[in-house]
Amino acid sequence: QSALTQPPSASGSPGQSVTISCTGTSSDVGGYNYVSWYQQHPGKAPKLMIYEVSKRPSGVPDRFSGSKSGNTASLTVSGLQAEDEADYYCSSYAGSNIYVVFGGGTKLTVL
Amino acid sequence: EVQLVESGGGLVQPGRSLRLSCAASGFTFDDYAMHWVRQAPGKGLEWVSGISWNSGSIGYADSVKGRFTISRDNAKNSLYLQMNSLRAEDTALYYCAKDTGGWGGGGAFDIWGQGTMVTVSS
Repeated sequence: QSALTQPPSASGSPGQSVTISCTGTSSDVGGYNYVSWYQQHPGKAPKLMIYEVSKRPSGVPDRFSGSKSGNTASLTVSGLQAEDEADYYCSSYAGSNIYVVFGGGTKLTVL
Repeated sequence: EVQLVESGGGLVQPGRSLRLSCAASGFTFDDYAMHWVRQAPGKGLEWVSGISWNSGSIGYADSVKGRFTISRDNAKNSLYLQMNSLRAEDTALYYCAKDTGGWGGGGAFDIWGQGTMVTVSS
């Protein structure tokens, strides 16, 4: 299984919206509604932001939203804030009982 | 407080073995699947292995299959990773992570430890 494909970087100004893509195949992203997104600040453990494509865990602001079309999932951050600057990773179930693949990560910069 | 605490990392020579442990507290451990995820210095996240709530389902990344073994002891609220035939490319911070469900396939990890560092070098 290959890693999912994410753009290495993304940026936006405070208050703007930014969308990060995550491209896989029909064997992972496209085949199941089990895409998750994580936020990681430097030196910190990752934090779950979105699961099952578009669900938000308790405590995650509704500025974060997820979607999927075909083999590509997307994370949209609306109303960008300075604290949103972090690395973002997508992941997907990839079949075969228990098998998970991550994307390479996207560094989000708030200008 | 919901918490995962990893231990067992360190410096090890190539070809040697190491066993990581993860102690869970603050939630019903045997209701949830658990996973190991690693992050090499300056690199991205890589899923390593996962185990369902009852150890009935287990999965490994291709990069560690045949060398690493995941296990859990629900009576001790603990998760383990036995790492054999270690290679330089296994050098990473190893995180223990709790799944949101019991079977492990959803791949959504809502609780993470702070990680334990494994360095493979001669």
